[in-house]
Amino acid sequence: DQQVKQNSPSLSVQEGRISILNCDYTNSMFDYFLWYKKYPAEGPTFLISISSIKDKNEDGRFTVFLNKSAKHLSLHIVPSQPGDSAVYFCAASDSNSGYALNFGKGTSLLVTP
Amino acid sequence: KAGVTQTPRYLIKTRGQQVTLSCSPISGHRSVSWYQQTPGQGLQFLFEYFSETQRNKGNFPGRFSGRQFSNSRSEMNVSTLELGDSALYLCASSSGQVGNTEAFFGQGTRLTVV
Repeated sequence: DQQVKQNSPSLSVQEGRISILNCDYTNSMFDYFLWYKKYPAEGPTFLISISSIKDKNEDGRFTVFLNKSAKHLSLHIVPSQPGDSAVYFCAASDSNSGYALNFGKGTSLLVTP
Repeated sequence: KAGVTQTPRYLIKTRGQQVTLSCSPISGHRSVSWYQQTPGQGLQFLFEYFSETQRNKGNFPGRFSGRQFSNSRSEMNVSTLELGDSALYLCASSSGQVGNTEAFFGQGTRLTVV
């Protein structure tokens, strides 16, 4: 069963605007959440993470928001750039159970000029 | 600092054969995890090794196995290959320390079973 869900397979945004990628999870034991960016034929690249003790983490143009009660997190990219076009994966882990990352199926982001 | 290195990058095998994939983690990292990526199932966790011990295992059949050496390098083996094993196999390295689960991925090994 898919414990991490990214319900939007694709998203198209204009350059300079905000990109919002969403992720939902079902396992209340998850306490660490990560976002990865992936280009074809390459491994995922770590972007940003957040611990369940926080509700927001920022790193440059990337901000992740966590709503534990709704079991929902989102990644905001502001401003979006054409180089951000890639597939974005949300991942979650239960740090008490080791380091298995549970991934969503990804959202393909296209940033158009 | 060198990243995660996976070899080989591409592999073609015949059904019934076995295959071994290799992963060298980032220097100083003691945890190595393996993932399978397929178009239908996305990225799925296979297993994680820390200090030569399997610490966590996903829901894959026993044909999938792995090991980790004292230098933290890891190998993954798939026996009796099936067509459905065709996938991108990704290795991830992390410190393995509590509270830090950021994993850094290699470029993957593309396995094609014919």
